[in-house]
Amino acid sequence: AQSVTQLGSHVSVSEGALVLLRCNYSSSVPPYLFWYVQYPNQGLQLLLKYTTGATLVKGINGFEAEFKKSETSFHLTKPSAHMSDAAEYFCAVTASASKIIFGSGTRLSIRP
Amino acid sequence: DGGITQSPKYLFRKEGQNVTLSCEQNLNHDAMYWYRQDPGQGLRLIYYSQIVNDFQKGDIAEGYSVSREKKESFPLTVTSAQKNPTAFYLCASSFGTGKANYGYTFGSGTRLTVV
Repeated sequence: AQSVTQLGSHVSVSEGALVLLRCNYSSSVPPYLFWYVQYPNQGLQLLLKYTTGATLVKGINGFEAEFKKSETSFHLTKPSAHMSDAAEYFCAVTASASKIIFGSGTRLSIRP
Repeated sequence: DGGITQSPKYLFRKEGQNVTLSCEQNLNHDAMYWYRQDPGQGLRLIYYSQIVNDFQKGDIAEGYSVSREKKESFPLTVTSAQKNPTAFYLCASSFGTGKANYGYTFGSGTRLTVV
């Protein structure tokens, strides 16, 4: 069965510092992987996704993620944090042809 | 612009009352989903529908009901049997069967509070 584990329910970084949000997955088939962002009292917005091909995926707002099959990981990074990046981030993996499983989320805080 | 509209944004329910949350999409998506979000628990699937007039239970369907009479609409009713309904409810849609790789599009959510 497919599953997603996000390491760290809360991550705090200084403005301008590297952002690293960790995600590990379990999948019995080649996975499709996603990162979503959620701002307070709003829905989820797709940041980026990996389906096939290039393992380094670039998304919106300067974020990128690298699919590492050997490590079953899909960590999200951004070189320089901005105050507007403060939000909750969800990693997700396809569980079937029509369903996606979400991780429990990581809240990102940015220190001035 | 295409998207998903959830209404109302805030909803208050009295004990023993049924309430219905609206979800409408104009993306021509086949599949629609309802999730419940509680702090620290991520998203939990309530119901989903891959085609009109058909739907399946998710992981926490007890106390909820849905209908899918039109492709564009997937309302969720929170019944009096749901003992702890206070939560943030999210509706999503996707192209449907075999298209999960496209990801989901989400509405902006409804916050339900029991008073």
